[in-house]
Amino acid sequence: DVKVTQSSRYLVKRTGEKVFLECVQDMDHENMFWYRQDPGLGLRLIYFSYDVKMKEKGDIPEGYSVSREKKERFSLILESASTNQTSMYLCASSLFWGSYNEQFFGPGTRLTVL
Amino acid sequence: GESVGLHLPTLSVQEGDNSIINCAYSNSASDYFIWYKQESGKGPQFIIDIRSNMDKRQGQRVTVLLNKTVKHLSLQIAATQPGDSAVYFCAEVLTTSGTYKYIFGTGTRLKVLA
Repeated sequence: DVKVTQSSRYLVKRTGEKVFLECVQDMDHENMFWYRQDPGLGLRLIYFSYDVKMKEKGDIPEGYSVSREKKERFSLILESASTNQTSMYLCASSLFWGSYNEQFFGPGTRLTVL
Repeated sequence: GESVGLHLPTLSVQEGDNSIINCAYSNSASDYFIWYKQESGKGPQFIIDIRSNMDKRQGQRVTVLLNKTVKHLSLQIAATQPGDSAVYFCAEVLTTSGTYKYIFGTGTRLKVLA
């Protein structure tokens, strides 16, 4: 089974702090994604990566950056956390780019910014 | 996560009955449609998908129906069990210029009554 793990389930940070959210997948997937999930809204794509060191902006990249130095690991960075970034963050991976294939999600990190 | 479901429509179904969860999608050019299940405190889990050139697909205890005329997708769960209690949401996958864009719905909470 594909396993996508996220470094923290719950995180509390203060406004202005730099925050790192880590995601690791163990199935050699090419694609990795970061979403945020808020009440009343569908999942919104922040960034995705289709290869090591490659990244593409999603629908809401402002205030975020990402890093993919190794194929299995995709990090989401909040350079200066703000209260409107309080949310559930979900990482996902899928096998390859170029055609539709299933996304596998991690358990999520609930981030609270005070 | 728990707070994701706070503002969602709720469907309450007696254990053993069939459940029907509906979704309206936005783009008539979408190529694939997916149903996800998200249990409290967990990430979304793929249930079933359907390609746009089909109108019905069956899985184990689940059936997805696609009506392209009215841009409507439904998920039918047969003999609903307590373990089916979760938030269910649909996603449409749109292909544009060789990339795949996922558009997620907000979801419906399914409550199974004993």
